[in-house]
Amino acid sequence: KQEVTQIPAALSVPEGENLVLNCSFTDSAIYNLQWFRQDPGKGLTSLLLIQSSQREQTSGRLNASLDKSSGRSTLYIAASQPGDSATYLCAVMGPGNNRLAFGKGNQVVVIP
Amino acid sequence: GAGVSQSPSNKVTEKGKDVELRCDPISGHTALYWYRQSLGQGLEFLIYFQGNSAPDKSGLPSDRFSAERTGGSVSTLTIQRTQQEDSAVYLCASSLTRQYNSPLHFGNGTRLTVT
Repeated sequence: KQEVTQIPAALSVPEGENLVLNCSFTDSAIYNLQWFRQDPGKGLTSLLLIQSSQREQTSGRLNASLDKSSGRSTLYIAASQPGDSATYLCAVMGPGNNRLAFGKGNQVVVIP
Repeated sequence: GAGVSQSPSNKVTEKGKDVELRCDPISGHTALYWYRQSLGQGLEFLIYFQGNSAPDKSGLPSDRFSAERTGGSVSTLTIQRTQQEDSAVYLCASSLTRQYNSPLHFGNGTRLTVT
């Protein structure tokens, strides 16, 4: 069974600093890895999807890397802003099924 | 454009009652998923639809839970004889295809409280 771990569970950073969020997964046989953002009381917003054949994806200030063999992904958010405060969730989709296995998230607070 | 819509946004029910949760996916999305999110827990997969069929319903926690999808669009998740442990946020998501490069789009969820 795929296990997804996100460390740290919560972190606070001053505005302007770069954010680094880590995700690890136990089974490297994945089809894709997705990063989501969740605001309080809301659903999840898709940020980036990295296919298993890719090493990274970028969107604006966001960059996500994937090292499938070591079971790791990192989400970088450059020059953090208070509006980046949210919970960030990592999820992987494996072979043989169509479900995403989620981590419990990194709760981020960017301090103005 | 319109996103995934879920109703109701909040539902309070008494233990033992039945509830129905509704999901309207993005138009044209063939894949539909139900997840459950409990306080302090990660997202728990419940069921996956491709069109109107459910090839993977292995996440449904008990036979009190059922779901259907009609017309390749709207889906309903039904919980019979609700229990307090059913209290959670129920999230629906859809994606354009079942291909592995299609991101999931989530609704805002239904917060279910069983008293």
